[in-house]
Amino acid sequence: GQNIDQPTEMTATEGAIVQINCTYQTSGFNGLFWYQQHAGEAPTFLSYNVLDGLEEKGRFSSFLSRSKGYSYLLLKELQMKDSASYLCAAMDSNYQLIWGAGTKLIIKP
Amino acid sequence: ETGVTQSPTHLIKTRGQQVTLRCSSQSGHNTVSWYQQALGQGPQFIFQYYREEENGRGNFPPRFSGLQFPNYSSELNVNALELDDSALYLCASSLEFQGVHEQYFGPGTRLTVT
Repeated sequence: GQNIDQPTEMTATEGAIVQINCTYQTSGFNGLFWYQQHAGEAPTFLSYNVLDGLEEKGRFSSFLSRSKGYSYLLLKELQMKDSASYLCAAMDSNYQLIWGAGTKLIIKP
Repeated sequence: ETGVTQSPTHLIKTRGQQVTLRCSSQSGHNTVSWYQQALGQGPQFIFQYYREEENGRGNFPPRFSGLQFPNYSSELNVNALELDDSALYLCASSLEFQGVHEQYFGPGTRLTVT
């Protein structure tokens, strides 16, 4: 079957660094997406990885290991506005997105 | 460039009723995907439309149906509403269904079934 696992909730301090992990199992694989979703709003695109390694984009970085079925999203210099849910989604062989339940990130001052 | 829009924003229906939700794609996008997102959960794929044809369906019963129009806007219809259908319904448009393309989400329709 197809499955995405990520922690339900994480807490971090403003200015710190946090890593949100995601493991996936899909029928075929066409890449791994990370989306941010603030409460009551639609998801917005953060990153896409299809090759192994780290992709850096400002304060956010995303890592992929295809052999391990593993990805993480790294958020640096945390700001209060980063409080949101972070959704991991893997694209299967039919180019359909399989979504995790999301990780709720709570930032404390 | 116009983003993805959805209507209505909120809707309250009674069990057994039918509902139609609407979505306008981002300009230039010919593929629309619909998702159901329960509170505290990730989006669950309902189906996808590409150039007016259904192109993939998730694990949802036939009472969930859809349409895509020549201008690539789309509708999601749900018949015989059940209490568990209460959720946020998201539509997302993308450039093509094949290949990897970012999906752009609309603001969603919050459906409450009582």
